[in-house]
Amino acid sequence: EAGVAQSPRYKIIEKRQSVAFWCNPISGHATLYWYQQILGQGPKLLIQFQNNGVVDDSQLPKDRFAAERLKGVDSTLKIQPAKLEDSAVYLCASSPRGRGTEAFFGQGTRLTVV
Amino acid sequence: GNSVTQMEGPVTLSEEAFLTINCTYTATGYPSLFWYVQYPGEGLQLLLKATKADDKGSNKGFEATYRKETTSFHLEKGSVQVSDSAVYFCALVGTSNTGKLIFGQGTTLQVKP
Repeated sequence: EAGVAQSPRYKIIEKRQSVAFWCNPISGHATLYWYQQILGQGPKLLIQFQNNGVVDDSQLPKDRFAAERLKGVDSTLKIQPAKLEDSAVYLCASSPRGRGTEAFFGQGTRLTVV
Repeated sequence: GNSVTQMEGPVTLSEEAFLTINCTYTATGYPSLFWYVQYPGEGLQLLLKATKADDKGSNKGFEATYRKETTSFHLEKGSVQVSDSAVYFCALVGTSNTGKLIFGQGTTLQVKP
């Protein structure tokens, strides 16, 4: 079974530029998560989708971050404009359903904003 | 709100030493508790979990027991190997059970031959 796929693996941009990350969850997984992991910290949830609906986006900086999950499968996370403090690893995870099931993580995209 | 606190790292041990990584949590009710591991260059993987008080999760020689009275979920292994070198994250899913994981800050383990 293929795992969660993310691209790109690495991205370096200048502040105020825009960037987009892509995630393809495990086939059939209804729930998709985006987490932000700043160096030296644990991952923090940015947004959670159930199929193509948003379950939780309470910690998403909506003035600069946007995420979508078209057709309840792939998802993109966009940052515009980027700030230095956005430098982090962005992790995508999926699970068969949100409640009580294991989340499977992709390898992440490491973003450096200079 | 819900939170997880882990012991500071890095932890450096010799091969075959005993490992304990402390984890305590703050949450209402009975959250589900997890240990995730991140090997160098790889994504987060579930190591073990426990979903109710006094449950013991175990995998690959690692164990952790859900202690409601001390709000703890300490990770232990009797004899570590070099291949156990990784970052370990304690996490919880709250009683609302949406699947949202709340992580501790992670503990780096380095095992020397």
